[in-house]
Amino acid sequence: GQQVMQIPQYQHVQEGEDFTTYCNSSTTLSNIQWYKQRPGGHPVFLIQLVKSGEVKKQKRLTFQFGEAKKNSSLHITATQTTDVGTYFCAGPILWGKLQFGAGTQVVVTP
Amino acid sequence: KAGVTQTPRYLIKTRGQQVTLSCSPISGHRSVSWYQQTPGQGLQFLFEYFSETQRNKGNFPGRFSGRQFSNSRSEMNVSTLELGDSALYLCASSFAGAKDEQYFGPGTRLTVT
Repeated sequence: GQQVMQIPQYQHVQEGEDFTTYCNSSTTLSNIQWYKQRPGGHPVFLIQLVKSGEVKKQKRLTFQFGEAKKNSSLHITATQTTDVGTYFCAGPILWGKLQFGAGTQVVVTP
Repeated sequence: KAGVTQTPRYLIKTRGQQVTLSCSPISGHRSVSWYQQTPGQGLQFLFEYFSETQRNKGNFPGRFSGRQFSNSRSEMNVSTLELGDSALYLCASSFAGAKDEQYFGPGTRLTVT
């Protein structure tokens, strides 16, 4: 079936370092969405990318949608302790079904 | 505007019992999706309702069911509970479905003993 895969599953980062998490779909997506879930919390929408090759920035976060609309990445610069959490990418598979990746759990070491 | 609300927030049930969880979406949102989240399993899609109709269903046994009311509020039911049903159950609402940003509720933490 259609799958959305994310790597890495875990990311240990020193405060101040950069890191990137990747998302790959087995099929072309109409859009890609990114969510963040803090420990003990619920997923919160971060951003949606729609166009091929689209790049969007939110402060220290840079999101990119691949040219073939099958992959995406989230790059965080100068990681802070507030970046701790699990980052999920998700793509619409059907009108009512959003397929989530397994998530990248980010741990930040001060 | 008010966010997505879920009740109850915590629930402890015994194996074999049944449970009903409730979700009130953001006003104006007609799509409600349900997810099961367990450690290491990510977000597993249960089903999605739009205008009182189930549009999509995930790979869960028939013990898991749901419905949506005319005011878009949704309920999900799990019958004959098993230990493996212990999880965080999240609902998410959106304006029209999977192509829109999803607003998640705080979840219901179900523990089956």
